[in-house]
Amino acid sequence: GAVVSQHPSWVICKSGTSVKIECRSLDFQATTMFWYRQFPKQSLMLMATSNEGSKATYEQGVEKDKFLINHASLTLSTLTVTSAHPEDSSFYICSAARGTEAFFGQGTRLTVV
Amino acid sequence: QQQVKQSPQSLIVQKGGISIINCAYENTAFDYFPWYQQFPGKGPALLIAIRPDVSEKKEGRFTISFNKSAKQFSLHIMDSQPGDSATYFCAASMYSGGGADGLTFGKGTHLIIQP
Repeated sequence: GAVVSQHPSWVICKSGTSVKIECRSLDFQATTMFWYRQFPKQSLMLMATSNEGSKATYEQGVEKDKFLINHASLTLSTLTVTSAHPEDSSFYICSAARGTEAFFGQGTRLTVV
Repeated sequence: QQQVKQSPQSLIVQKGGISIINCAYENTAFDYFPWYQQFPGKGPALLIAIRPDVSEKKEGRFTISFNKSAKQFSLHIMDSQPGDSATYFCAASMYSGGGADGLTFGKGTHLIIQP
């Protein structure tokens, strides 16, 4: 299978600060990457679709000004959580599409204190 | 509106037994149905996937059965092992030509294999 690397694997930040999470496809080019959010013992919820060279498409209810997505190259997408609050604490997971298959990163555990 | 319904929520199976997890979908435009395995604190890992043009796909101990008319698909894990204990998610998506759409996930099944 394809390899998707996500960094950092965990991060703790103070309320009001911003946090950037990186998602890289290591052995293939991904024109489309996805960002998901997962609360404890719950399923993954799609937040946004990131297309290389264009603006991200956000799912209903996801604040685009709070969750900034940049897909600057065919192997890198970033998610920036701006002005983080404790309710933003969650497990964030990216995936990269290769054809119809989606390969997931290891996830980033964000804790906002 | 939950587009992919997964059951059971939790499942306990004896070692060597068959684990069966079921999913039902509503959107007939879905044309790609993967199953993912997730361990605590890790991202989901693709196990096996199926397209609607086949009714069954087998890879090792894992089999997907697909019933297009009933809009249902299931995962069978044969000879279940303690290392299979994890959370399993079914998912569905549409292939829109230009690339895969984001996946719609079921709520997950917490599988425990007892030694």
